[in-house]
Amino acid sequence: QKEVEQNSGPLSVPEGAIASLNCTYSDRVSQSFFWYRQYSGKSPELIMSIYSNGDKEDGRFTAQLNKASQYVSLLIRDSQPSDSATYLCAVNRSGGSNYKLTFGKGTLLTVNP
Amino acid sequence: DGGITQSPKYLFRKEGQNVTLSCEQNLNHDAMYWYRQDPGQGLRLIYYSQIVNDFQKGDIAEGYSVSREKKESFPLTVTSAQKNPTAFYLCASFDGTPGNTIYFGEGSWLTVV
Repeated sequence: QKEVEQNSGPLSVPEGAIASLNCTYSDRVSQSFFWYRQYSGKSPELIMSIYSNGDKEDGRFTAQLNKASQYVSLLIRDSQPSDSATYLCAVNRSGGSNYKLTFGKGTLLTVNP
Repeated sequence: DGGITQSPKYLFRKEGQNVTLSCEQNLNHDAMYWYRQDPGQGLRLIYYSQIVNDFQKGDIAEGYSVSREKKESFPLTVTSAQKNPTAFYLCASFDGTPGNTIYFGEGSWLTVV
């Protein structure tokens, strides 16, 4: 089983719709979870982080974490064409000072005008 | 401005040559990382360094080497032993604060000609 898995997509939604992106992870000791957005040819940029079970909202973005199911998701409300990008799920599997992130392969999202 | 600077942005390598990618940060971060990204793929960890004069192999270290002689600098050498080096290379750093995460430079494109 891969450490961090995402639906590869592509995921296509109409403008104004809700986009739902999913991610599962294999290591139960994982402590923190992140969603990065990456436009084609650019470096990833952080959009959301979540550490505790439940929902975390930031503007049009909501991250959801369920540690029992080893599942983290990202909802994008009122999707805009500018949201079209690859979304990368990342998991911090290490505690203490040995900090490193493991990434999924990403989900390509296309928002159609 | 504080940030992570990678150079060059584009680099062409002949087969059998070693090349070095530069990564400099003025954020006073202790930890630095090198990731590789292939088209349509996620990020894979090559090497990381938690502190000056110390570094550790990531998941795909073969054919690469690094040094960490200064806190600000973490250069990556792609050696001739790396048989398929064409990829997008991303350098990142982390300030070590719980709840924070890594931030990326703008990346370097390496192509073998």
